[in-house]
Parts: sequence; structure tokens; C-alpha cells
Amino acid sequence: DGGITQSPKYLFRKEGQNVTLSCEQNLNHDAMYWYRQDPGQGLRLIYYSQIVNDFQKGDIAEGYSVSREKKESFPLTVTSAQKNPTAFYLCASTLTGQQSYNEQFFGPGTRLTVL
Amino acid sequence: AQSVSQHNHHVILSEAASLELGCNYSYGGTVNLFWYVQYPGQHLQLLLKYFSGDPLVKGIKGFEAEFIKSKFSFNLRKPSVQWSDTAEYFCAVKRASKIIFGSGTRLSIRP
Repeated sequence: DGGITQSPKYLFRKEGQNVTLSCEQNLNHDAMYWYRQDPGQGLRLIYYSQIVNDFQKGDIAEGYSVSREKKESFPLTVTSAQKNPTAFYLCASTLTGQQSYNEQFFGPGTRLTVL
Repeated sequence: AQSVSQHNHHVILSEAASLELGCNYSYGGTVNLFWYVQYPGQHLQLLLKYFSGDPLVKGIKGFEAEFIKSKFSFNLRKPSVQWSDTAEYFCAVKRASKIIFGSGTRLSIRP
């Protein structure tokens, strides 16, 4: 089945620790995105990548880092510099170019809780 | 600042009532517009999208939306809601390579 997988589903972290969230897609999509979802604030863009080995900051990139070494993978690291990391994190992907009007496909999300 | 606004944070309706959820955006030029839905415990999924042509677009489950360029709006409608429409609804705008979401509207349906 084609789709986006995120792991783990739930993640607990102590303050001061870095943690990496996994996102893998087998849809052969070029672009991948990370969003953070908080109640009443919708989805806010953290980072996105249009192509391998390239990525751009979104609206709330501070305290986060990403890499895009492979087309199918776009891991997100939540660093200790992120002041309020407890949230629901969503990964998405989409085609680009002539298919740029296509919608994003979303993963199931990872709920991160900082203790 | 460029933004997507959903003015209704929580809407409560009875079954069979008509629904209209507002969405306004502040981007100029060409945009692609989307409505996504998140049912409790499920992935975000696409309801409908607009990228060109007829400004009245029809989506899944009886939903439709109208793009009014002069008003920078893309409101979502359904003539008769069902209990199963209980969910959170997000409007989104694609501009260049970024997709920006509104803050969402939670829809609760009374049986």
C-alpha cells in the first residue's frame, strides 16, 4: 500500500533531550513537509523540502532541524532549544511541477509529550 | 502578513441543518485552494480542491465550496449535515511551494 508512515505514534521526552521523529513515504512524491498541530491554531509549517538535499524553513522553524538525504525520508529533530515542544506533529508529501495543484497526503502523526 | 482565516472556531448544528464554514485568505495572484477534514482519530484527508475553472467545486460526502476571487474567499457548504460529519475542518492555500492552513473549525453535530 502506498502512503506515509510516521513513527513512533506516541513519544515522551525529558526536558533538555533532542528527539527525532521519523517520516517515510513510498508515493514517489518530490516534496515533503512537517507541520505542528496545536488546539485552536491549526497546522503550522515547520520545514519543507522540494527536492533531495534541499529544505527550507517554514513559519516556526526555531528549535527544529531536518535532513533530506533520501527522497522517501524526511526526519524531524526536535531540539532542546524548542521552548514548547509538546504537540502533535504531522508529516505530509506532494508531487511538484505540473502536478503542483495536487493535494498533500498526510501521515498519521506523532504525539510528542515533554515531561 | 499573509494568512488563511477561518472565523468559526466551533460550530454546533443539529442533523439535517445546512452548513457553511468560512475561509478567507490574504494572498494575491494565483492560488490553489483546499478543504481538508480530520475525523476523530483519523488522518487528515482531502475534501475538495480548486485550482482553475468552475469556481464551484464539489467534493466527497456531499460537500461543495465556492471560490469568490473578489472576496478572497473559499467557503465550504453542505445542504444537510449528518452526525458522521462531526470533525475538524481545515482550509488551506497553496502559494508557490508552501501550503498554509487555517486554524480549523470544529464541527459538532447533535443527533
